[in-house]
Amino acid sequence: DAGVIQSPRHEVTEMGQEVTLRCKPISGHDYLFWYRQTMMRGLELLIYFNNNVPIDDSGMPEDRFSAKMPNASFSTLKIQPSEPRDSAVYFCASSPSGTSPYEQYFGPGTRLTVT
Amino acid sequence: GDSVTQMEGPVTLSEEAFLTINCTYTATGYPSLFWYVQYPGEGLQLLLKATKADDKGSNKGFEATYRKETTSFHLEKGSVQVSDSAVYFCALAYSGGYQKVTFGTGTKLQVIP
Repeated sequence: DAGVIQSPRHEVTEMGQEVTLRCKPISGHDYLFWYRQTMMRGLELLIYFNNNVPIDDSGMPEDRFSAKMPNASFSTLKIQPSEPRDSAVYFCASSPSGTSPYEQYFGPGTRLTVT
Repeated sequence: GDSVTQMEGPVTLSEEAFLTINCTYTATGYPSLFWYVQYPGEGLQLLLKATKADDKGSNKGFEATYRKETTSFHLEKGSVQVSDSAVYFCALAYSGGYQKVTFGTGTKLQVIP
């Protein structure tokens, strides 16, 4: 299996621009997670989906952030408009259901820089 | 609520030294415990896990024992290598339908030749 795929790996944009991050989970995994990692706040869960349905978006920082999962093999995280404080590494992870305890498989991350 | 506390880093060791990274947790139930590792430029990957009290998780020479009485899950390795340099995250999660994992803040390990 190719693992979790994220694109782009690096994104540099100017404040006010729209940013779209993409994720392809591992085939057959029912859960998809979006995390943000910064030096100041560590690893934060933003939102997660089960069978393409958002289950918990309490970690989404504000209305500028939105996430979708139109099908089992694709998810997007959008920031509009972007701000310098959104600069971070954004990780997508997926995991299977059925057995416990669950292991999350992380993608390589997208490093976002907003200038 | 649930939380995970890790020792502050960075931890700097010479090659072949003994490693301990402390982790304690606060939980409302009976979670499973994990150690994840993040190598430079990569995402996190599961290193080891333990599902109940007194279980020992092990992988790649690393070990951690689930201690319910001290609410701890300390990571140990007898002889570290330069290739072990990474950030280590302690985490907890519950079995069942709720998939959320609670991560600690991470501890950076630097191993010097």
